[in-house]
Amino acid sequence: EGQLVESGGGLVQPGRSLRLSCTTAGFTFGDFGMSWFRQAPGKGLEWVGLIRSKVYDGATKYAASVKGRFIISRDDSKSIAYLQMDSLKTEDTAVYYCARDRLGLNPFYHYMDVWGKGTMVTVSS
Amino acid sequence: SYELSQPLSVSVALGQTATITCGGNNIGSKNVHWYQQKPGQAPVLVIYKDTYRPSGIPERFSGSNSGNTATLTISRAQAGDDADFYCQVWDSSTYVVFGGGTKLTVL
Repeated sequence: EGQLVESGGGLVQPGRSLRLSCTTAGFTFGDFGMSWFRQAPGKGLEWVGLIRSKVYDGATKYAASVKGRFIISRDDSKSIAYLQMDSLKTEDTAVYYCARDRLGLNPFYHYMDVWGKGTMVTVSS
Repeated sequence: SYELSQPLSVSVALGQTATITCGGNNIGSKNVHWYQQKPGQAPVLVIYKDTYRPSGIPERFSGSNSGNTATLTISRAQAGDDADFYCQVWDSSTYVVFGGGTKLTVL
């Protein structure tokens, strides 16, 4: 079915950068898109962004709250997705999850069928 | 931007049927997906494309979608169903959209 493991979280000062990794196994990584989400303490789920498979179009999409600060990339040779987070703000404090993304047509959809356990990012001085 | 609305909380007696709604403008024209999240755990997909159950999800979980409301129905509720539930759609301008989440309590 697939396994996802996030890493790279921790404590970082406002304005600094952090890169999260999502290491995957158990499926053909290059055939799937990957999404990133976050959940602030006591809050709901928030989508951060996604990267589609190169088989489809390899496009990236971002939530308005992170566009221009966060970049998602992928290394199909290593089966890893990345979330580069720059200019971090205190409001970026959350558990960050990666998930395997499924897409389809008629009507167009994305949903996430396999999730990692998450990694905590704390932005504080 | 596209928005989804869910009730903050739903309560159901043990063994009875719970319904969780997800409202959105003409949501019936979109594919709706549902996730269950237990405290301290990652979300789990329980319904995709309105009505489909992933393997391993009990038949007690079902979904429907029409007009401006999508619904997740949990039959024969069990204590282990206590969780937060989120609906999700794709919108061409807002991309991945989640509802605010509904806390299900099994009494």
